[in-house]
Amino acid sequence: QKEVEQDPGPLSVPEGAIVSLNCTYSNSAFQYFMWYRQYSRKGPELLMYTYSSGNKEDGRFTAQVDKSSKYISLFIRDSQPSDSATYLCAMSAHDMRFGAGTRLTVKP
Amino acid sequence: GVTQSPTHLIKTRGQQVTLRCSSQSGHNTVSWYQQALGQGPQFIFQYYREEENGRGNFPPRFSGLQFPNDSSELNVNALELDDSALYLCASSPRTAGVAADTQYFGPGTRLTVL
Repeated sequence: QKEVEQDPGPLSVPEGAIVSLNCTYSNSAFQYFMWYRQYSRKGPELLMYTYSSGNKEDGRFTAQVDKSSKYISLFIRDSQPSDSATYLCAMSAHDMRFGAGTRLTVKP
Repeated sequence: GVTQSPTHLIKTRGQQVTLRCSSQSGHNTVSWYQQALGQGPQFIFQYYREEENGRGNFPPRFSGLQFPNDSSELNVNALELDDSALYLCASSPRTAGVAADTQYFGPGTRLTVL
């Protein structure tokens, strides 16, 4: 079992849809949880950063962390074609562990 | 921001390669990652104040240096075909008592080993 599991997708939604992206993990030592967006042939770009359980909202993006279930989510409201990218979950205790990424396409 | 050079690189099996990174100003921690096609980044190692501060599951032929001027290098000896990947560096500010800060990634160097 991988330390971080991420739904592989790919995921295709119409413009304006609500997108839900998820990851599960096995290491209970993880304290910091992040979501990165990566466009093709580019480096990952930090979207959301949360510490411990709870919700965090930033514009159209909401990150949720449930440490008891070892489950994190990213919701994107009113999705736009410019949101088309690969979304990587990441988490860390000392060094960072990434999921494999979910490729999202938002169709106009 | 974080910059990396070169953008692309082609090497042959058995050769050695040096990749370079310039951290974001004020950041004293740099981490290097290998990202194979279709996969998430895998942690290679981290440097803090010019000392290795953690290492992932990579062999010793992967080595690094961090310099006082916020630049760093990743060196890979005896290149293998499986070393073909996007190599990313990420810098972060290091705050005492915090196990992990947010990391800011460079655009990466795409290495192809033939």
